[in-house]
Amino acid sequence: AQKVTQAQTEISVVEKEDVTLDCVYETRDTTYYLFWYKQPPSGELVFLIRRNSFDEQNEISGRYSWNFQKSTSSFNFTITASQVVDSAVYFCALSARGSTLGRLYFGRGTQLTVWP
Amino acid sequence: EAGVTQFPSHSVIEKGQTVTLRCDPISGHDNLYWYRRVMGKEIKFLLHFVKESKQDESGMPNNRFLAERTGGTYSTLKVQPAELEDSGVYFCASSRQGGTGSDEQFFGPGTRLTVL
Repeated sequence: AQKVTQAQTEISVVEKEDVTLDCVYETRDTTYYLFWYKQPPSGELVFLIRRNSFDEQNEISGRYSWNFQKSTSSFNFTITASQVVDSAVYFCALSARGSTLGRLYFGRGTQLTVWP
Repeated sequence: EAGVTQFPSHSVIEKGQTVTLRCDPISGHDNLYWYRRVMGKEIKFLLHFVKESKQDESGMPNNRFLAERTGGTYSTLKVQPAELEDSGVYFCASSRQGGTGSDEQFFGPGTRLTVL
């Protein structure tokens, strides 16, 4: 079975602070994909990143960075120097091969609020 | 390129009534997914179309839910009769290739359904 856990329900920070959103996943598949999506107040989910299970390299994109560690089954997301526009709900998701191919398994999301 | 669109954005109905949600995927995307988020919980998979065929409908909660994708273009999700527990946000997503599980899914803004 596939499962994604985002233990942080809500996080509040002040602008310019760094913040890390945690994501822990469970799967028995050896080939799987991890995603992060952002849901701004407008409602749609915006794709941020995809990682496959064979690529543990960390990734940096501007102020965003992702730390993938298979040893701890974690795929954490860090925002450096946060801004008010980063306020949103962030979802971590998993897609695995096998019978559940294609569908995404989501965590419950983390509501991030960045105060000016 | 237009994104995934969903109609209506909000729907308020009484228990026992019927509601039909519509999703227009991105043009050229063969894969169409429906998901649902009940308040405070994770986004859960409902079903997956490849063109007009149902690839996986194992997430459909019961036979009160009927999804169709005539001609492999837009899709409808009908709930009949609606129950209180059907309230939530229904998301539609599309992707060009769903066969590997790695494809980015593009999400619509969702339809917020409230059953009174």
